[in-house]
Amino acid sequence: DAGVIQSPRHEVTEMGQEVTLRCKPISGHNSLFWYRQTMMRGLELLIYFNNNVPIDDSGMPEDRFSAKMPNASFSTLKIQPSEPRDSAVYFCASSLGDGGVNTEAFFGQGTRLTVV
Amino acid sequence: DAKTTQPTSMDCAEGRAANLPCNHSTISGNEYVYWYRQIHSQGPQYIIHGLKNNETNEMASLIITEDRKSSTLILPHATLRDTAVYYCIVRVAGNTGKLIFGQGTTLQVKP
Repeated sequence: DAGVIQSPRHEVTEMGQEVTLRCKPISGHNSLFWYRQTMMRGLELLIYFNNNVPIDDSGMPEDRFSAKMPNASFSTLKIQPSEPRDSAVYFCASSLGDGGVNTEAFFGQGTRLTVV
Repeated sequence: DAKTTQPTSMDCAEGRAANLPCNHSTISGNEYVYWYRQIHSQGPQYIIHGLKNNETNEMASLIITEDRKSSTLILPHATLRDTAVYYCIVRVAGNTGKLIFGQGTTLQVKP
């Protein structure tokens, strides 16, 4: 398996523009996580899905952020409108939750977003 | 989810064992201890996890105290490539267990 695939790897956009980050989880995994990482705040969990259903979105900073998982093999994180303070590295991760045991989460290489 | 406390940074000589401590005094009975690491500019990488027994794999060993309030990650023979930020996380078992990262320990392996 190619692992968790994120695109694009780098994104530079102007303030006010819409940004869409994409993630393809590992085949067969049923949990998906979106994280944001900055120097100031470290790794923050934004939202996670289980079996394509959002379980907890309490980490989503505000209404400008939205995430979807239309099927088991694809998820998007959208920011509209984008602001300079959204500049960060965004990671997607997936894992297999099997009953009472969790396997480890595998992370993608991240998308470095710069909003100017 | 229980919170964890880790030292901000540690140094280790190349070839020596690196022992990274973690306190999780409020851990619940159904929470596992996970360790991840993040090498600069990469996504976090899973290392090991355990519930109450000591665990070992090809990367590291995990020692959990009998009362489960603290644990130690051991890298038996640290190399320069082990320089990274190491995160200790406690996570509820089950499909909805969140994976929350703290600030971690920055381990610098020196030649």
